[in-house]
Amino acid sequence: AQSVTQPDIHITVSEGASLELRCNYSYGATPYLFWYVQSPGQGLQLLLKYFSGDTLVQGIKGFEAEFKRSQSSFNLRKPSVHWSDAAEYFCAVGATSNYQLIWGAGTKLIIKP
Amino acid sequence: DADVTQTPRNRITKTGKRIMLECSQTKGHDRMYWYRQDPGLGLRLIYYSFDVKDINKGEISDGYSVSRQAQAKFSLSLESAIPNQTALYFCATSDAGQGFDEQFFGPGTRLTVL
Repeated sequence: AQSVTQPDIHITVSEGASLELRCNYSYGATPYLFWYVQSPGQGLQLLLKYFSGDTLVQGIKGFEAEFKRSQSSFNLRKPSVHWSDAAEYFCAVGATSNYQLIWGAGTKLIIKP
Repeated sequence: DADVTQTPRNRITKTGKRIMLECSQTKGHDRMYWYRQDPGLGLRLIYYSFDVKDINKGEISDGYSVSRQAQAKFSLSLESAIPNQTALYFCATSDAGQGFDEQFFGPGTRLTVL
């Protein structure tokens, strides 16, 4: 069965520091992978997605993610975080059986001034 | 105006009451979804609809029902609310284009069942 693991429940980084949020998936074929962000009190917004092609994907707000098939990972990165990046981040994989998304538990990003 | 709206935004109710959460969208999307979010569990799919005549159960449909009144409206009902249905509920929509099109989320409804 497809599944998504986000190993870190919380991550704290200093403003201006680099960020990497981890996502591991379990899926038999080439996965459809997504990162969404949930700002406090709001719904989720798509940051980026990977369907095929270049394994380094650029998204909105300066985020990028790299698909590594050998590691079953799709980690999200940003070179320099801003206080406005404080939010919860969700990784998801697409289930081709019914075109639904399987979601990770989320990682809450805390920014230190 | 927001593309995906949910009403109410907050609701406190008692065990055994019937509750309806409503979702409306102006994006013209065919596909609509209801999720619940619990801390540490991420999002779990309750029901989804790919068009007005199509309703499908998700991962956790027990205790819930839905109605797709029109392309733009998708309601979630709790026939007899129980405390473990206390959660944040999201409605989402997507285009029918390519299988895994971006989902657009409403702002959520925070439901508390006492």
